[in-house]
Amino acid sequence: GAVVSQHPSRVICKSGTSVKIECRSLDFQATTMFWYRQFPKQSLMLMATSNEGSKATYEQGVEKDKFLINHASLTLSTLTVTSAHPEDSSFYICSARDGSPLHFGNGTRLTVT
Amino acid sequence: QQQVKQSPQSLIVQKGGIPIINCAYENTAFDYFPWYQQFPGKGPALLIAIRPDVSEKKEGRFTISFNKSAKQFSLHIMDSQPGDSATYFCAALGGSYIPTFGRGTSLIVHP
Repeated sequence: GAVVSQHPSRVICKSGTSVKIECRSLDFQATTMFWYRQFPKQSLMLMATSNEGSKATYEQGVEKDKFLINHASLTLSTLTVTSAHPEDSSFYICSARDGSPLHFGNGTRLTVT
Repeated sequence: QQQVKQSPQSLIVQKGGIPIINCAYENTAFDYFPWYQQFPGKGPALLIAIRPDVSEKKEGRFTISFNKSAKQFSLHIMDSQPGDSATYFCAALGGSYIPTFGRGTSLIVHP
């Protein structure tokens, strides 16, 4: 089946630094990728839709200058959390579409100290 | 976002029981309805999916029932096992619409 690889799985950073999370579709091309944030015991909150070769579409309330998304190729999208603060600590998950099915990465646990 | 309503929020069954999770959607343009299983600290994994041209689909112990006229679909887990304890999300996809997810159901299967 289709595989989406997300890296790193865990990252701890200090306040004010930036963190980059990578999302790769390993065996299919994904023109669209999605980035989610998930709080403990809650559902998936869509942050943005990433389209290859164009600017990402952000959901209302998500700061595009803080959460930078780049989708430079059909197999790679990156999310950069800039000037991270403790409130940005969360579980970030990417997903990519292979036709109809939507496949998820294994998530990145970000902890900002 | 178009809404997908999922119930119940949590579910506890004994081993061998048949938990049922229900979802209802609004947008008739949706044409693909997957269920995802998520374990703590992991991303959701595609479990089973159905299209509106069939009323039921089985894969192993997992069955989706689909009622197109009622715009509802449900997940049944036969002979549930403690290893099935996880959070389950339903979703609806279609056309250019952003995938829409239910709020999730936390399932606990007691030994």
